[in-house]
Amino acid sequence: QKEVEQDPGPLSVPEGAIVSLNCTYSNSAFQYFMWYRQYSRKGPELLMYTYSSGNKEDGRFTAQVDKSSKYISLFIRDSQPSDSATYLCAMSGGAQKLVFGQGTRLTINP
Amino acid sequence: DVKVTQSSRYLVKRTGEKVFLECVQDMDHENMFWYRQDPGLGLRLIYFSYDVKMKEKGDIPEGYSVSREKKERFSLILESASTNQTSMYLCASSLWGQGKTGELFFGEGSRLTVL
Repeated sequence: QKEVEQDPGPLSVPEGAIVSLNCTYSNSAFQYFMWYRQYSRKGPELLMYTYSSGNKEDGRFTAQVDKSSKYISLFIRDSQPSDSATYLCAMSGGAQKLVFGQGTRLTINP
Repeated sequence: DVKVTQSSRYLVKRTGEKVFLECVQDMDHENMFWYRQDPGLGLRLIYFSYDVKMKEKGDIPEGYSVSREKKERFSLILESASTNQTSMYLCASSLWGQGKTGELFFGEGSRLTVL
């Protein structure tokens, strides 16, 4: 079993829809949770960062962490074609190494 | 802006060749990383370095070595390339361990094909 599980998709939704992306994990020591966005033929870039449990909102993006269920989510409101990308969850227990999910390929259709 | 530059975007090599992938960062970051990215497998850590001349194995170091002679430069070496090393290679740097979030700054990737 992988430490971090993420549905690779692909996921295709119409413009304006609410998108929900999720990851589950098995290591209870994880306390730093991140979402990276990767456009085609580019390197990933940090989108959201959350420490421990709770919610964090940044514009149209909301990150949620439920440590009791070992489950994290990224919500995208009013999705735009420019949000089309691969989204990778990543997490760490505080050491230098991040563990990444497989990535979910998302397409927003105009 | 932090910039991580990977010298080669696309490479085609033959089985058995020695391959060098170069990465340079311009933000004085202590930590540098090499990942490979494959469909369905996500990013897997090959090696990382937290200081000059220091290196640590990641999850999949077999068949690879690294060199960090200067703080800004981290090289990945495939001593004898094999077809199963065909992949996208991503270099990253970070300030993890200094009260920072540990955000990784990635280069644009080097797509290696081994024939």
